[in-house]
Amino acid sequence: KAGVTQTPRYLIKTRGQQVTLSCSPISGHRSVSWYQQTPGQGLQFLFEYFSETQRNKGNFPGRFSGRQFSNSRSEMNVSTLELGDSALYLCASSFADSSTDTQYFGPGTRLTVL
Amino acid sequence: AQTVTQSQPEMSVQEAETVTLSCTYDTSESDYYLFWYKQPPSRQMILVIRQEAYKQQNATENRFSVNFQKAAKSFSLKISDSQLGDAAMYFCAYTMGAQKLVFGQGTRLTINP
Repeated sequence: KAGVTQTPRYLIKTRGQQVTLSCSPISGHRSVSWYQQTPGQGLQFLFEYFSETQRNKGNFPGRFSGRQFSNSRSEMNVSTLELGDSALYLCASSFADSSTDTQYFGPGTRLTVL
Repeated sequence: AQTVTQSQPEMSVQEAETVTLSCTYDTSESDYYLFWYKQPPSRQMILVIRQEAYKQQNATENRFSVNFQKAAKSFSLKISDSQLGDAAMYFCAYTMGAQKLVFGQGTRLTINP
């Protein structure tokens, strides 16, 4: 079974631009969570989607948004990019049959903002 | 708010020896789950082991085992017979649900041949 895939793997943008990252979960998984990983702040939860609905959101500004499609694929968008948005963005998927299903991570998208 | 603390930023161990990584967490909940994830250099995060708080028995996965002390809110990972492929960042994580993991800052483990 294929794992979680994320595209693109690397991205370079300039301040003020917007960016869209994509995540395809493991087949059969209906929940997708997004995390931001930086050297200073570590791994922080952004949001989680289940059946096209955002169920939980972390403490990030409104410039960070996401969505989930009927096939469970998810995208996250960051508008008006800032230098501090440079990070590795990880998505994780799970069945979410229970609220504590194990999450399986993708390889991440490394975003660099210049 | 729940927090997870890994007090050892870096650890090193000789190949074939045993190493223990520490993790403490803070929560007022009684029902939750704990995880150890491994992130090799430039590679994706993979699950090492999972522990349900309601289970008294410590989880074990081959060479990996945990020492779960619920009253002390401690969740350490023991790696036996360390191998070169065990070199990675190890993250301790907590969740009480809603598919939201709270991570510690990580411990970088080096294996010396």
